[in-house]
Amino acid sequence: SAVISQKPSRDICQRGTSLTIQCQVDSQVTMMFWYRQQPGQSLTLIATANQGSEATYESGFVIDKFPISRPNLTFSTLTVSNMSPEDSSIYLCSVPPRGTYGYTFGSGTRLTVV
Amino acid sequence: QKEVEQDPGPLSVPEGAIVSLNCTYSNSAFQYFMWYRQYSRKGPELLMYTYSSGNKEDGRFTAQVDKSSKYISLFIRDSQPSDSATYLCAVVDSSYKLIFGSGTRLLVRP
Repeated sequence: SAVISQKPSRDICQRGTSLTIQCQVDSQVTMMFWYRQQPGQSLTLIATANQGSEATYESGFVIDKFPISRPNLTFSTLTVSNMSPEDSSIYLCSVPPRGTYGYTFGSGTRLTVV
Repeated sequence: QKEVEQDPGPLSVPEGAIVSLNCTYSNSAFQYFMWYRQYSRKGPELLMYTYSSGNKEDGRFTAQVDKSSKYISLFIRDSQPSDSATYLCAVVDSSYKLIFGSGTRLLVRP
């Protein structure tokens, strides 16, 4: 399966600022997914990022708040904009490996907004 | 109704016990089912994935899918304290997106 390097692993940010999270995959993948995991909760899909096209956002998530870039088939960024304490969560990227449906996840970015 | 339902626990068992973790799902079209293990402050780690109905075994872990009742299970034999984690079931929808259950927190007592 793919190996994903996700940065930063954690950050503490002031409200009103923005944080950009990066995911680098060791192989080319068509789709990358971004998830949010709020404290004590399961994973919720934010958006699907395809190379060469705009990301597709799930209900409740908007591009102005969570802009995503996908410049090539191995890299993507998620920005959490104009942060508030409610954005304190773990953010994870994920890719589907070739030939199987065992999706791989990055190690996550633990964000705390103060 | 959520698409995937999972008892959040926590579930506490003694070391060596057989653990049964379960999920139900609502859409009979789902074909791929997965179990992830997530340790505190880590990303989810794939444990097992199955296609359609049936059983799949890997060491101490057995994944079971019953499509007639839309029920998926993960069994852990000879549970160890290192198995203490949150276990998440997931299904793949028609757009290749993962839909997760809420996760069950498992504690294996030494």
